[in-house]
Amino acid sequence: QPVLTQPPSASASLGASVTLTCTLSSGYSNYKVDWYQQRPEKGPRFVMRVGTGGIVGSKGDGIPDRFSVLGSGLNRYLTINNVHEEDESDYHCAADHGSGSNFVRVFGGGTKLTVL
Amino acid sequence: EVQLVQSGAEVKEPGESLRISCKGSGYSFTNYWISWVRQMPGRGLEWMGRIDPSDSYTNYNPSFQGHVTISADKSISTAYLQWGSLKASDTAIYYCARHPRSTYNWFDPWGQGALVTVSS
Repeated sequence: QPVLTQPPSASASLGASVTLTCTLSSGYSNYKVDWYQQRPEKGPRFVMRVGTGGIVGSKGDGIPDRFSVLGSGLNRYLTINNVHEEDESDYHCAADHGSGSNFVRVFGGGTKLTVL
Repeated sequence: EVQLVQSGAEVKEPGESLRISCKGSGYSFTNYWISWVRQMPGRGLEWMGRIDPSDSYTNYNPSFQGHVTISADKSISTAYLQWGSLKASDTAIYYCARHPRSTYNWFDPWGQGALVTVSS
Protein backbone atom coordinates (compact mmCIF):
# COMPACT_ATOMS: atom_id res chain seq x y z
CA GLN A 1 0.00 0.00 0.00
CA PRO A 2 1.17 3.57 -0.58
CA VAL A 3 2.82 5.75 2.02
CA LEU A 4 1.79 9.42 1.93
CA THR A 5 4.36 11.93 3.13
CA GLN A 6 3.52 15.49 4.18
CA PRO A 7 5.78 18.14 5.72
CA PRO A 8 4.68 18.62 9.33
CA SER A 9 4.37 22.38 9.07
CA ALA A 10 3.98 25.28 6.67
CA SER A 11 3.35 28.97 7.05
CA ALA A 12 2.02 31.82 4.94
CA SER A 13 1.35 35.49 5.47
CA LEU A 14 -2.14 36.89 5.23
CA GLY A 15 -2.98 37.48 1.57
CA ALA A 16 -0.09 35.42 0.26
CA SER A 17 -0.21 32.04 -1.48
CA VAL A 18 0.93 28.71 -0.11
CA THR A 19 1.28 25.28 -1.65
CA LEU A 20 1.03 22.15 0.46
CA THR A 21 2.52 18.91 -0.80
CA CYS A 22 1.54 15.28 -0.37
CA THR A 23 4.04 12.80 -1.81
CA LEU A 24 3.10 9.24 -2.70
CA SER A 25 5.63 6.49 -2.28
CA SER A 26 7.33 5.07 -5.36
CA GLY A 27 5.14 2.98 -7.64
CA TYR A 28 1.91 4.80 -6.90
CA SER A 29 2.09 7.69 -9.35
CA ASN A 30 -1.38 6.93 -10.75
CA TYR A 31 -3.10 7.24 -7.37
CA LYS A 32 -5.57 9.97 -6.61
CA VAL A 33 -5.41 11.79 -3.29
CA ASP A 34 -8.06 13.51 -1.20
CA TRP A 35 -7.33 16.67 0.75
CA TYR A 36 -9.06 17.35 4.05
CA GLN A 37 -9.01 20.50 6.17
CA GLN A 38 -9.19 20.23 9.94
CA ARG A 39 -9.61 23.49 11.82
CA PRO A 40 -8.55 23.61 15.47
CA GLU A 41 -10.78 21.51 17.71
CA LYS A 42 -12.97 20.52 14.75
CA GLY A 43 -13.55 17.43 12.66
CA PRO A 44 -12.03 17.17 9.18
CA ARG A 45 -13.88 18.36 6.10
CA PHE A 46 -13.39 17.33 2.52
CA VAL A 47 -11.60 19.85 0.30
CA MET A 48 -11.15 18.10 -3.03
CA ARG A 49 -9.63 15.09 -4.79
CA VAL A 50 -6.62 15.36 -7.10
CA GLY A 51 -4.99 13.13 -9.65
CA THR A 52 -2.31 13.78 -12.25
CA GLY A 53 -4.99 15.44 -14.39
CA GLY A 54 -5.96 17.89 -11.67
CA ILE A 55 -9.17 17.99 -9.70
CA VAL A 56 -11.36 14.89 -9.75
CA GLY A 57 -15.05 15.54 -9.35
CA SER A 58 -16.07 18.61 -7.40
CA LYS A 59 -14.88 20.57 -4.38
CA GLY A 60 -16.36 20.04 -0.95
CA ASP A 61 -19.23 22.22 0.18
CA GLY A 62 -18.15 25.74 1.00
CA ILE A 63 -14.59 25.38 -0.24
CA PRO A 64 -13.70 28.75 -1.78
CA ASP A 65 -12.26 29.27 -5.26
CA ARG A 66 -8.97 30.26 -3.60
CA PHE A 67 -8.27 26.56 -3.13
CA SER A 68 -6.91 24.61 -6.10
CA VAL A 69 -5.03 21.38 -6.73
CA LEU A 70 -2.45 19.97 -9.08
CA GLY A 71 -0.90 16.55 -9.49
CA SER A 72 2.50 15.72 -10.97
CA GLY A 73 4.42 12.47 -10.74
CA LEU A 74 4.26 11.31 -7.14
CA ASN A 75 3.26 14.73 -5.81
CA ARG A 76 -0.21 16.03 -5.14
CA TYR A 77 -0.45 19.73 -4.38
CA LEU A 78 -3.01 21.91 -2.62
CA THR A 79 -2.59 25.60 -3.28
CA ILE A 80 -4.33 28.31 -1.30
CA ASN A 81 -4.29 31.79 -2.82
CA ASN A 82 -4.95 34.98 -0.87
CA VAL A 83 -4.58 33.15 2.44
CA HIS A 84 -7.18 34.09 5.06
CA GLU A 85 -6.90 33.74 8.82
CA GLU A 86 -9.60 31.05 8.70
CA ASP A 87 -7.33 28.85 6.55
CA GLU A 88 -5.12 28.15 9.57
CA SER A 89 -5.73 24.43 9.94
CA ASP A 90 -4.23 21.00 9.70
CA TYR A 91 -4.37 19.64 6.16
CA HIS A 92 -4.45 15.89 5.65
CA CYS A 93 -4.12 13.91 2.45
CA ALA A 94 -5.49 10.41 1.94
CA ALA A 95 -5.55 7.69 -0.71
CA ASP A 96 -7.40 4.43 -1.24
CA HIS A 97 -5.65 1.14 -1.89
CA GLY A 98 -7.24 -2.14 -2.86
CA SER A 99 -10.89 -3.09 -2.99
CA GLY A 100 -13.42 -5.25 -1.20
CA SER A 101 -11.92 -7.02 1.79
CA ASN A 102 -8.48 -5.68 0.87
CA PHE A 103 -9.57 -2.05 0.88
CA VAL A 104 -7.44 0.28 2.96
CA ARG A 105 -7.51 4.06 3.23
CA VAL A 106 -4.14 5.57 4.01
CA PHE A 107 -3.57 9.04 5.46
CA GLY A 108 -0.50 11.23 5.43
CA GLY A 109 0.80 12.64 8.68
CA GLY A 110 -0.82 16.03 8.10
CA THR A 111 0.59 19.53 7.62
CA LYS A 112 -0.12 22.27 10.13
CA LEU A 113 -0.60 25.56 8.27
CA THR A 114 0.12 28.68 10.30
CA VAL A 115 -1.13 32.03 9.00
CA LEU A 116 1.23 34.84 9.93
CA GLU B 1 -28.83 18.65 5.53
CA VAL B 2 -26.64 15.57 5.54
CA GLN B 3 -25.28 15.04 9.04
CA LEU B 4 -23.44 12.50 11.13
CA VAL B 5 -23.95 13.04 14.84
CA GLN B 6 -21.74 11.11 17.22
CA SER B 7 -22.25 10.18 20.85
CA GLY B 8 -20.51 12.16 23.56
CA ALA B 9 -17.16 12.00 25.30
CA GLU B 10 -16.38 8.96 27.40
CA VAL B 11 -14.00 8.33 30.29
CA LYS B 12 -13.22 4.69 30.97
CA GLU B 13 -10.75 2.57 32.87
CA PRO B 14 -8.43 0.04 31.23
CA GLY B 15 -10.16 -3.28 30.67
CA GLU B 16 -13.64 -1.79 30.41
CA SER B 17 -15.84 -2.16 27.36
CA LEU B 18 -17.29 0.69 25.33
CA ARG B 19 -19.55 1.34 22.36
CA ILE B 20 -19.78 4.71 20.65
CA SER B 21 -22.31 5.64 18.01
CA CYS B 22 -22.72 7.65 14.82
CA LYS B 23 -26.23 8.55 13.64
CA GLY B 24 -26.80 9.57 10.04
CA SER B 25 -29.57 11.88 8.88
CA GLY B 26 -30.58 13.73 5.74
CA TYR B 27 -29.73 10.87 3.36
CA SER B 28 -30.40 7.21 2.70
CA PHE B 29 -28.24 5.55 5.34
CA THR B 30 -27.94 2.25 3.50
CA ASN B 31 -26.58 3.81 0.30
CA TYR B 32 -23.21 4.83 1.77
CA TRP B 33 -20.35 3.28 3.65
CA ILE B 34 -19.53 4.49 7.14
CA SER B 35 -15.85 4.51 8.10
CA TRP B 36 -14.25 5.09 11.49
CA VAL B 37 -11.07 7.11 11.85
CA ARG B 38 -8.83 7.50 14.91
CA GLN B 39 -6.87 10.59 15.86
CA MET B 40 -4.57 10.13 18.81
CA PRO B 41 -3.57 13.27 20.76
CA GLY B 42 -1.48 15.56 18.59
CA ARG B 43 -1.31 12.99 15.81
CA GLY B 44 -2.64 12.40 12.31
CA LEU B 45 -5.63 10.42 11.10
CA GLU B 46 -5.78 6.61 10.91
CA TRP B 47 -8.46 4.68 9.05
CA MET B 48 -9.78 1.89 11.26
CA GLY B 49 -12.38 0.19 9.12
CA ARG B 50 -15.72 0.56 7.36
CA ILE B 51 -19.18 -0.91 7.22
CA ASP B 52 -21.85 -1.14 4.55
CA PRO B 53 -25.05 -0.58 6.57
CA SER B 54 -27.21 -2.26 3.93
CA ASP B 55 -25.81 -5.70 4.80
CA SER B 56 -23.35 -5.00 7.65
CA TYR B 57 -20.39 -6.08 5.50
CA THR B 58 -17.22 -4.82 7.16
CA ASN B 59 -13.56 -4.61 6.45
CA TYR B 60 -10.83 -3.48 8.82
CA ASN B 61 -7.40 -1.95 8.74
CA PRO B 62 -5.19 -4.89 9.79
CA SER B 63 -3.75 -2.63 12.49
CA PHE B 64 -7.13 -2.56 14.23
CA GLN B 65 -8.53 -5.98 13.34
CA GLY B 66 -9.42 -7.98 16.40
CA HIS B 67 -9.31 -5.03 18.80
CA VAL B 68 -12.45 -3.19 17.68
CA THR B 69 -15.78 -4.17 16.18
CA ILE B 70 -17.77 -2.07 13.73
CA SER B 71 -21.49 -2.65 13.45
CA ALA B 72 -24.63 -0.87 12.30
CA ASP B 73 -28.38 -0.83 12.88
CA LYS B 74 -29.95 0.35 9.66
CA SER B 75 -33.39 0.61 11.25
CA ILE B 76 -32.16 3.61 13.26
CA SER B 77 -29.49 4.81 10.79
CA THR B 78 -26.72 4.32 13.32
CA ALA B 79 -23.24 2.86 13.12
CA TYR B 80 -21.18 1.76 16.09
CA LEU B 81 -17.57 1.29 17.10
CA GLN B 82 -16.94 -0.91 20.09
CA TRP B 83 -14.15 -2.24 22.25
CA GLY B 84 -14.30 -5.32 24.44
CA SER B 85 -11.33 -4.34 26.60
CA LEU B 86 -9.94 -0.82 26.43
CA LYS B 87 -6.29 0.08 26.79
CA ALA B 88 -4.74 3.40 27.74
CA SER B 89 -3.43 3.61 24.17
CA ASP B 90 -7.04 3.77 22.92
CA THR B 91 -7.22 7.34 24.21
CA ALA B 92 -8.07 9.35 21.13
CA ILE B 93 -10.77 11.20 19.22
CA TYR B 94 -12.81 8.90 17.01
CA TYR B 95 -14.56 10.19 13.91
CA CYS B 96 -17.11 8.55 11.68
CA ALA B 97 -17.39 9.58 8.04
CA ARG B 98 -19.69 8.79 5.15
CA HIS B 99 -18.49 7.75 1.71
CA PRO B 100 -20.33 6.49 -1.36
CA ARG B 101 -19.71 3.22 -3.18
CA SER B 102 -19.00 5.13 -6.38
CA THR B 103 -15.66 6.24 -7.78
CA TYR B 104 -16.10 9.57 -6.00
CA ASN B 105 -15.78 7.93 -2.62
CA TRP B 106 -14.24 10.69 -0.56
CA PHE B 107 -15.21 11.04 3.09
CA ASP B 108 -17.95 13.64 3.34
CA PRO B 109 -19.30 14.60 5.79
CA TRP B 110 -17.55 13.65 9.00
CA GLY B 111 -19.05 13.43 12.44
CA GLN B 112 -18.03 15.91 15.10
CA GLY B 113 -15.80 13.36 16.81
CA ALA B 114 -16.00 11.52 20.12
CA LEU B 115 -13.20 11.84 22.67
CA VAL B 116 -12.46 8.59 24.44
CA THR B 117 -10.19 8.79 27.48
CA VAL B 118 -8.90 5.58 29.01
CA SER B 119 -7.19 6.08 32.33
CA SER B 120 -6.95 4.40 35.70
